[in-house]
Amino acid sequence: GAGVSQTPSNKVTEKGKYVELRCDPISGHTALYWYRQSLGQGPEFLIYFQGTGAADDSGLPNDRFFAVRPEGSVSTLKIQRTERGDSAVYLCASSPPGLAGGSGELFFGEGSRLTVL
Amino acid sequence: AQTVTQSQPEMSVQEAETVTLSCTYDTSESDYYLFWYKQPPSRQMILVIRQEAYKQQNATENRFSVNFQKAAKSFSLKISDSQLGDAAMYFCAYRAQGGSEKLVFGKGTKLTVNP
Repeated sequence: GAGVSQTPSNKVTEKGKYVELRCDPISGHTALYWYRQSLGQGPEFLIYFQGTGAADDSGLPNDRFFAVRPEGSVSTLKIQRTERGDSAVYLCASSPPGLAGGSGELFFGEGSRLTVL
Repeated sequence: AQTVTQSQPEMSVQEAETVTLSCTYDTSESDYYLFWYKQPPSRQMILVIRQEAYKQQNATENRFSVNFQKAAKSFSLKISDSQLGDAAMYFCAYRAQGGSEKLVFGKGTKLTVNP
């Protein structure tokens, strides 16, 4: 597709359940980012992939959160044993290779709103 | 660690008038990018304008311009001839060259445009 695609758009789950959120980046973009945006706040960095590998996972809040990008394209954010505090919009973004000399811009999807009851 | 501060949680402007949104940041890097993103209710972040730190000239994009003061670490956004469609959350963001190159966001400013 032309833009970053995220599914599902909305997800309601119960406390303790397992959740997967999917991100399909713009074709050819090697860098992929996950952010979490709580109500009334700016997006907070979770994890960054360059190709298939997680280059920076310093933003993951705890070991219940995990993300993969096995073929260097689609990524899945996985949340185990969900808690009410995990409720937020999860944003995915991608960017083309070669930051230096490029625009530096990240291209965002519309996010997945997760509600944990 | 880099931080971005937006000191105005909410701002309002009359249609056709001008408004300035403030942003300051903290970094020890010399090469970086600064951005203003707009987030309407659809949730998608839309790039409004960007500035490369090595450029002294302030960026402009139609009705949007910035006042970039590198020494003061200030990066304000000016919206001229405000339109109803400009109403949204506006986020200032910083991105260093090198490292993870992640975007660091401020907490945002909610802009209301009054007809």
